[in-house]
Amino acid sequence: AQSVTQPDIHITVSEGASLELRCNYSYGATPYLFWYVQSPGQGLQLLLKYFSGDTLVQGIKGFEAEFKRSQSSFNLRKPSVHWSDAAEYFCAVGSGGYQKVTFGTGTKLQVIP
Amino acid sequence: DVKVTQSSRYLVKRTGEKVFLECVQDMDHENMFWYRQDPGLGLRLIYFSYDVKMKEKGDIPEGYSVSREKKERFSLILESASTNQTSMYLCASSFGLNEQFFGPGTRLTVL
Repeated sequence: AQSVTQPDIHITVSEGASLELRCNYSYGATPYLFWYVQSPGQGLQLLLKYFSGDTLVQGIKGFEAEFKRSQSSFNLRKPSVHWSDAAEYFCAVGSGGYQKVTFGTGTKLQVIP
Repeated sequence: DVKVTQSSRYLVKRTGEKVFLECVQDMDHENMFWYRQDPGLGLRLIYFSYDVKMKEKGDIPEGYSVSREKKERFSLILESASTNQTSMYLCASSFGLNEQFFGPGTRLTVL
């Protein structure tokens, strides 16, 4: 069965600092990988996705993620964090078929001035 | 833009009541999903549907049922609400193997 681990429950960074959120997955075949963001009181919005091809993917809001098969990882990065990036971030892995997606438990990002 | 709407943002019900949560999407997506979200547990899949009148159990279907009579509408039903079903419920839709689009969520409190 597929699974996702986000080892960091809560991360605090200063505005302007770089950010890396960790994600490790478990899946037998080539995975479909996603990062979503959830602002307080809102649904989830897709930041970026990886299906195949270039292992470095660019997303919205200046985020990027790198797929590393050897490490079973799909870490999310941003070079300079803005106060508006404070939110909860979810990594997810999808399988084929009807695209059943398994979500991680989320990482809550706090941005301090 | 894809729009997924949920019938209520906040809902308060009593133990034993029958509860209906409605979800509507406007982009002709074939797949629709119901999740519940609890702190520290992330999103857990309750049921999903890949076509009208078709449904599949997710990871935590106990205590829930679903209905999909029309392609755009997917309903989650709590036959007899219990306090442990107090949660945030998120609906999503997708087309094929693409990303899911989420509604704003319904925060259900069962007293």
